[in-house]
Amino acid sequence: QVQLVQSGAEVKKPGASVKVSCRTSGYSFNAHYINWVRQAPGQGIEWMGWINPYSGGTNLPQKFQGRVTMTRDTSIATAYLELNRLKSDDTAVYYCAREAGYSSGWDTRYFDLWGRGTLVIVSS
Amino acid sequence: SSDLTQDPAVSVALGQTVRITCQGDTLRSFYASWYQQKPGQAPVLLIYGQNNRPSGIPDRFSGSRSGNTASLTITGAQAEDEADYYCNSRDSSTSHLFGGGTKLTVL
Repeated sequence: QVQLVQSGAEVKKPGASVKVSCRTSGYSFNAHYINWVRQAPGQGIEWMGWINPYSGGTNLPQKFQGRVTMTRDTSIATAYLELNRLKSDDTAVYYCAREAGYSSGWDTRYFDLWGRGTLVIVSS
Repeated sequence: SSDLTQDPAVSVALGQTVRITCQGDTLRSFYASWYQQKPGQAPVLLIYGQNNRPSGIPDRFSGSRSGNTASLTITGAQAEDEADYYCNSRDSSTSHLFGGGTKLTVL
């Protein structure tokens, strides 16, 4: 079954770190970038970056550079998001999403498969 | 601009047609994709590319693009279409952008 299964909810104190996992199955892990997005309560979706599972290369927006690390373990087809120096406004649901569209041309990319999300609560 | 702009809220009468728009300079070069999100659920892909629907998405959902504006049209809106809708696109740096979302109310 093609799916992304995320780790469970986390409660962290400000200043701590959190690591969220996204276990993939049912397709070739190396063939699709994994993107991470988050959604604060009642807010919109914020893109956090992607990891190329084949090379391990990442692309993060400037806002998250230095505080976010994306890694993967190809042996278990799993991607990870680590967020450091947590603040209260990092409280959100974090989603991993599979990127697709590579066969459609350079102008087409989309997220065709999503995890169910991982709630991260940052509170003292 | 690197932003994607959506109207925060739109309403439609049951069975009528509604268009949800997404504006941004990047849409001149890259196609938007559209996602539906219901409370407590992950987003679901509705439309991608020129106007493509994944398997299982009803054909009342369609997409289009004109200049810097992408549109999602729901023809014959149903009660179950009440949800938040987000557009997404690449930008020239291989990053992604999301619109702020549109809350659709079906009256």
